[in-house]
Amino acid sequence: EDQVTQSPEALRLQEGESSSLNCSYTVSGLRGLFWYRQDPGKGPEFLFTLYSAGEEKEKERLKATLTKKESFLHITAPKPEDSATYLCAIIQGAQKLVFGQGTRLTINP
Amino acid sequence: DGGITQSPKYLFRKEGQNVTLSCEQNLNHDAMYWYRQDPGQGLRLIYYSQIVNDFQKGDIAEGYSVSREKKESFPLTVTSAQKNPTAFYLCASSFDRVASRGTQYFGPGTRLTVL
Repeated sequence: EDQVTQSPEALRLQEGESSSLNCSYTVSGLRGLFWYRQDPGKGPEFLFTLYSAGEEKEKERLKATLTKKESFLHITAPKPEDSATYLCAIIQGAQKLVFGQGTRLTINP
Repeated sequence: DGGITQSPKYLFRKEGQNVTLSCEQNLNHDAMYWYRQDPGQGLRLIYYSQIVNDFQKGDIAEGYSVSREKKESFPLTVTSAQKNPTAFYLCASSFDRVASRGTQYFGPGTRLTVL
């Protein structure tokens, strides 16, 4: 069964303290992995799509990487406005996404 | 101003009552999706539609119904048969019907509470 596990469940950092969020997955033949950001009470906001091992994408302080078993979301010198829940999802079948439970990130000033 | 709108933002339902959640998009996207989000859990797919007048059940379709009469609209009805409907409901759409070729974009969500 396709599965996505994110760790840690929650992470608290000081402003400027870099770290990484993990998304490990099991799927027979990965066809795409998505990262989203979700603020409390709002819909997820698309960040990145990764398709093959070794691929990397960057956006401001965020960098997403992909291996054959997991993806990392690296956050460099985070600011309080980066506080949010970060969701990871993989493609299942032709149309469906399977989501992890998310990592709740808090950046303290 | 293109995007996905959901209404209402908050909805309260009495026991035994059916309620309908609205989802509209003006992005000219072919595919639309309904997800349910519960605290500490990942998003779970309820229904999806790749084309007008056609839709498929997702992983947790029991107690829900949908229609797709127009490309822009994909309303979700939560029926009295849904035993635990209190949750955050998210609508999404994608330009391409195939997930590997189309990023899903989400609306702002509707929070449904059963009284």
